[in-house]
Amino acid sequence: AIRMTQSPSSLSASTGDRVTITCRASQGISSYLAWYQQKPGKAPKLLIYAASTLQSGVPSRFSGSGSGTDFTLTISCLQSEDFATYYCQQYYSYGTFGQGTKVEIK
Amino acid sequence: EVQLVESGEGLVQPGGSLRLSCAASGFTFSSYAMHWVRQAPGKGLEYVSAISSNGGSTYYADSVKGRFTISRDNSKNTLYLQMGSLRAEDMAVYYCARELYAGGAFDIWGQGTMVTVSS
Repeated sequence: AIRMTQSPSSLSASTGDRVTITCRASQGISSYLAWYQQKPGKAPKLLIYAASTLQSGVPSRFSGSGSGTDFTLTISCLQSEDFATYYCQQYYSYGTFGQGTKVEIK
Repeated sequence: EVQLVESGEGLVQPGGSLRLSCAASGFTFSSYAMHWVRQAPGKGLEYVSAISSNGGSTYYADSVKGRFTISRDNSKNTLYLQMGSLRAEDMAVYYCARELYAGGAFDIWGQGTMVTVSS
């Protein structure tokens, strides 16, 4: 099974900061990668798919990049509503999620 | 409105069974592959199972293989997860999710339903 490793597991940031989260696959997955945002008590929300395609309705401050085994999610200017947990998911072979990255208020 | 609504929440003893349902509305259910994802309390997301749009192909994570069965009734716009031989480690919020029409990522999620496994 393909393993997905996110880093860091958590980070503290301030509103307006640029935040980068990385995700590494245990084998090449081309661009078959998605990013989700989850807030407490809520279902995950799709942000990005195909590594860099922004889902409809998602603010442009979110962006994704990478292919093969290494991927990044960047939030260019952190807003208060962005404090949440972020997950990557590979769908090259069904679906495996990373362990999550919690973005907290500094 | 495009929507998925899970039901079947419950408390079950170890070794017991439970069936979850996911009712779809606002889209052509029969055109989409569907998935189940779970989240244990305070933990991350775990991929559980998948079914193709016509139900002809299914997939299970190793952790549930042989114990869970995914199915769908396209005439009722409903997805199911039959869970058996339940263990403490199966206790989680279970989400159903729709796969993007273009394939891969999950663009619509249900609100989740809690399964508690305890004696």
